[in-house]
Amino acid sequence: AQTVTQSQPEMSVQEAETVTLSCTYDTSESNYYLFWYKQPPSRQMILVIRQEAYKQQNATENRFSVNFQKAAKSFSLKISDSQLGDTAMYFCAFYGVASGSRLTFGEGTQLTVNP
Amino acid sequence: DGGITQSPKYLFRKEGQNVTLSCEQNLNHDAMYWYRQDPGQGLRLIYYSQIVNDFQKGDIAEGYSVSREKKESFPLTVTSAQKNPTAFYLCASRTGTGVYGYTFGSGTRLTVV
Repeated sequence: AQTVTQSQPEMSVQEAETVTLSCTYDTSESNYYLFWYKQPPSRQMILVIRQEAYKQQNATENRFSVNFQKAAKSFSLKISDSQLGDTAMYFCAFYGVASGSRLTFGEGTQLTVNP
Repeated sequence: DGGITQSPKYLFRKEGQNVTLSCEQNLNHDAMYWYRQDPGQGLRLIYYSQIVNDFQKGDIAEGYSVSREKKESFPLTVTSAQKNPTAFYLCASRTGTGVYGYTFGSGTRLTVV
């Protein structure tokens, strides 16, 4: 079974600064995908960024980028130029192709962006 | 617009009563999922269904039941056997092809008193 661990329950950052959220995972699969989801106070889940395990290049979406270390099974999210609207719960998630049809989530990190 | 509708947004029930949470999607997605969210525990999978009339237990299925009689609908019943039913429940769906096509509903907050 896959496990996803987020070791930072809460983090805070000043507006316009950069913050990194950590995620580690454990799997025996070689073909998988990793995701970061954002859940603002509205509690709507929003996909932030995704990474295919077979790609060596780290994914980037505007101010959001990941540091994917496959050997270390680490998948951190970097948010640059933090904005007040980035305040949310962030979840790391794993999808294994062999284990089929399900996302496994980490415990979440509550990020607060301060003005 | 296509999406997932969960109703109601807030639900209150007395202890010992069964309650059914609604999840409807008009995305023509094949797979549907129910997750439970508790503080500090992330989202945990309760049940999922990849096709009509078929479903599988997730990690925390005890005390819950589901049905999938129509492609569009995947209701979740929280039974009296569920020891700690108070939680936030999220429904999701995914197209049969492609990993990226997960869509989430807006959730139902169930409070059992």
